[in-house]
Amino acid sequence: EPEVTQTPSHQVTQMGQEVILRCVPISNHLYFYWYRQILGQKVEFLVSFYNNEISEKSEIFDDQFSVERPDGSNFTLKIRSTKLEDSAMYFCASNEGRQPQHFGDGTRLSIL
Amino acid sequence: AQKITQTQPGMFVQEKEAVTLDCTYDTSDPSYGLFWYKQPSSGEMIFLIYQGSYDQQNATEGRYSLNFQKARKSANLVISASQLGDSAMYFCAMREGDNGGSQGNLIFGKGTKLSVKP
Repeated sequence: EPEVTQTPSHQVTQMGQEVILRCVPISNHLYFYWYRQILGQKVEFLVSFYNNEISEKSEIFDDQFSVERPDGSNFTLKIRSTKLEDSAMYFCASNEGRQPQHFGDGTRLSIL
Repeated sequence: AQKITQTQPGMFVQEKEAVTLDCTYDTSDPSYGLFWYKQPSSGEMIFLIYQGSYDQQNATEGRYSLNFQKARKSANLVISASQLGDSAMYFCAMREGDNGGSQGNLIFGKGTKLSVKP
């Protein structure tokens, strides 16, 4: 069964550094998402992406965040100047229209 | 106000018994979708079951069924014949504007930690 792939599985970064989280959505899916889960808390929506542009973003997704689809397969989340509170599990998800979103296994981001 | 409420932070169930995980939701949108995801201790999010607001019948997927009571705005997950591997966090989520072709972000509840006892 096709799946959403995320790399790396764990990223450790110094505060203030830039980090890029990578995702390969399921190949025939058109809608892409990033979610965040701070340890022990609920999953929070960050941003959705369709047709090469952001379709919706939450208040969490401020100017330090950006997303890109640099080629036909990858979907990236960039955090420009990381803060301690950015430490979380970041999930990429994709779907096609009304179908359920399928999640990747997540990237655990640790900011030191 | 919370859009998705899961009132049970933790639940225990004996192996082979059935268990119901509660979820209530709040929306004024007539078109919405309700989802349940499982998150094992390894961290991944696994889709379990989906119910559309206009679906006439309750959704079922193997041992999972969704007890959808629209008037009460509840969408409880029922797991039959619990297995040790069912021990995990379970999240209820909603997507508003769930008409065809709409993607829509998911709004999650805080989750219920299910522990299956041998």
